Amino acid sequence: AQSVTQPDIHITVSEGASLELRCNYSYGATPYLFWYVQSPGQGLQLLLKYFSGDTLVQGIKGFEAEFKRSQSSFNLRKPSVHWSDAAEYFCAVGAQWRGSTLGRLYFGRGTQLTVWP
Amino acid sequence: GAVVSQHPSWVICKSGTSVKIECRSLDFQATTMFWYRQFPKQSLMLMATSNEGSKATYEQGVEKDKFLINHASLTLSTLTVTSAHPEDSSFYICSARGQGSGKNIQYFGAGTRLSVL
Repeated sequence: AQSVTQPDIHITVSEGASLELRCNYSYGATPYLFWYVQSPGQGLQLLLKYFSGDTLVQGIKGFEAEFKRSQSSFNLRKPSVHWSDAAEYFCAVGAQWRGSTLGRLYFGRGTQLTVWP
Repeated sequence: GAVVSQHPSWVICKSGTSVKIECRSLDFQATTMFWYRQFPKQSLMLMATSNEGSKATYEQGVEKDKFLINHASLTLSTLTVTSAHPEDSSFYICSARGQGSGKNIQYFGAGTRLSVL
């Protein structure tokens, strides 16, 4: 069965420090992988996605993620965190539906990021 | 582009009443929309997949008579919580699958917070 694990419930970093949020997935085929960010009381904004090709993907707001098939991981990174990055981050794996079209998403439990000034 | 609007953003209702939540894709046609429920500090739980012109597909454990979904047009899906009770209080989020190059991306609304008194 498909599943997504985000082992860190809460991470605190200082502004300017580097960040890595972990994500491991379980999926039988080649997955569609996503990172979304959610601010309090808001919907989800797509940070980046991986479908195929280069395993290091760049996203918005200076984020990047690396797909490692051997480790079933898709960790999110940012070299220097800003106070405005404080939010909830969700990793998701998408099932394929009718060929290559994206079906439903399976979400991890989320990682809450706190940024200290 | 690819904006999803959800309305209302917050609704308070009395126990036993019904509440309708709208999800609109503003600048694209969405043949498939998804409805999620999110409890505080938890991940998103898929409730149902809504396909335009056909019946919604509900996830196991979701009461289809309680949560009525209608996807009558390519830009609008509605979720009606019938005879709402306090345990239905939650954050409901919709998403729409994009078209063309966006067919493998889900775009999310800002969510609706439902409080049942």
